[in-house]
Order: sequence, then C-alpha cells, then structure tokens
Amino acid sequence: QKEVEQNSGPLSVPEGAIASLNCTYSDRVSQSFFWYRQYSGKSPELIMSIYSNGDKEDGRFTAQLNKASQYVSLLIRDSQPSDSATYLCAVRSDRGSTLGRLYFGRGTQLTVWP
Amino acid sequence: NAGVTQTPKFQVLKTGQSMTLQCAQDMNHNSMYWYRQDPGMGLRLIYYSASEGTTDKGEVPNGYNVSRLNKREFSLRLESAAPSQTSVYFCASSPQPLGGPAANEKLFFGSGTQLSVL
Repeated sequence: QKEVEQNSGPLSVPEGAIASLNCTYSDRVSQSFFWYRQYSGKSPELIMSIYSNGDKEDGRFTAQLNKASQYVSLLIRDSQPSDSATYLCAVRSDRGSTLGRLYFGRGTQLTVWP
Repeated sequence: NAGVTQTPKFQVLKTGQSMTLQCAQDMNHNSMYWYRQDPGMGLRLIYYSASEGTTDKGEVPNGYNVSRLNKREFSLRLESAAPSQTSVYFCASSPQPLGGPAANEKLFFGSGTQLSVL
C-alpha cells in the first residue's frame, strides 16, 4: 500500500498571503509527483507536476520536491479567494505491478478569505 | 468540446441492486480509469484500462467489474450494490498509460457520479 500523507487542514489564509501545502510519501522509488485542485462538488484538475528535486514555478504556484526527505509541497503566492479548494497530492508508482498508478493523498482544504 | 462524459450524475440504489456507470471520452485517449472518492479517503483506483481490449485491477476492485467497450467507452458495473459502495465515482482518461514513456501524464476527469446505496 502506497502512502501519501497530507496535512488535512482545513487551512485558512487571508487574501494576498502565501498558502503552503505539504505532502509526504512512503515509496522512495517514486519519481513523479502531481498537485490536483478540486473545487467543491467538481472533479480534480491538474495544476502542477514535478519530477526533479528543487522548485518548479508556474505563475503564482511553486511546487517543491525533496526526494531525500520524501517530501513535496505546493506554495500559492498572493492567494486569492478563487484559490479556495481542496488540493490533492498524487504520487506515481514506479514499481513493478503497480507501475504508472497514481496514489492520492486525502487532500488539504484551503480557504482564502478576503 | 465534451472531454470525459459520465452518466448518470446521481443514482440511488437499494442493497443488492445492480447498475452500470457509463463513461465516454472524445479525446482519442488510450488509457481510461475509474476512481472512487470517499470523505477523508482521497481518490482510490478501482480499475483501469491501459489500452483498448485490456483492463486491470486497481487498489479497490472488489464488488466491481469493468468493460472497455471500444477506445472511447469504459463502463463500471456494480453487480450487487452494498452500502460500502456509497461514494462519488470519477472516470478519467489520459493520452498514454501513466507508466509509459510519454511526458504528458495528465489525467482528465469526468464530472463524477454521486452514488448512494441504501
């Protein structure tokens, strides 16, 4: 069983602040990591993917990966009320019979208040 | 541009009843997936199909069957529904199998089916 752990929240930040979302994973072999955003009552949508150690920036979003610590995070700068959603961390398995499967964390609910 | 279409959006079943959830994608994707999402549990893979004509079990396949009818359609069947199968079900597709060499590993999700089993 692949484990992907997220701080369950809820996380509440004021508009304009930096929101920090964290995720740890158990399978040291995994090489591919993803962040999905899910608005209430809607389906998940991919917002970031990261494969190498370090930071990857896309607009207001920065994904950070530390494979040695088995840790991946998502920073949202200048948070907006429209960022209020549940953020799902996903880890791709690179092992044998489960190769290619995505394992999702339980999600962190983020609320950005005006 | 429909993407991934799931039907029905809502369904209530009695214990022991059967039903089929339908999923179709119009993006010419090779791979399709069925996930369930329970409160506090995240998304869990039920079954997937890496290509037309193949299906494989995921994390939680018990109580379900699937059919990859053609490249577009991937259905999920509950033969004898149980209250433990109350959940939101998502169908998804991707251009290539997620473990393949393609760089694009994005999953495209349908809008979901809210299923309640009484």
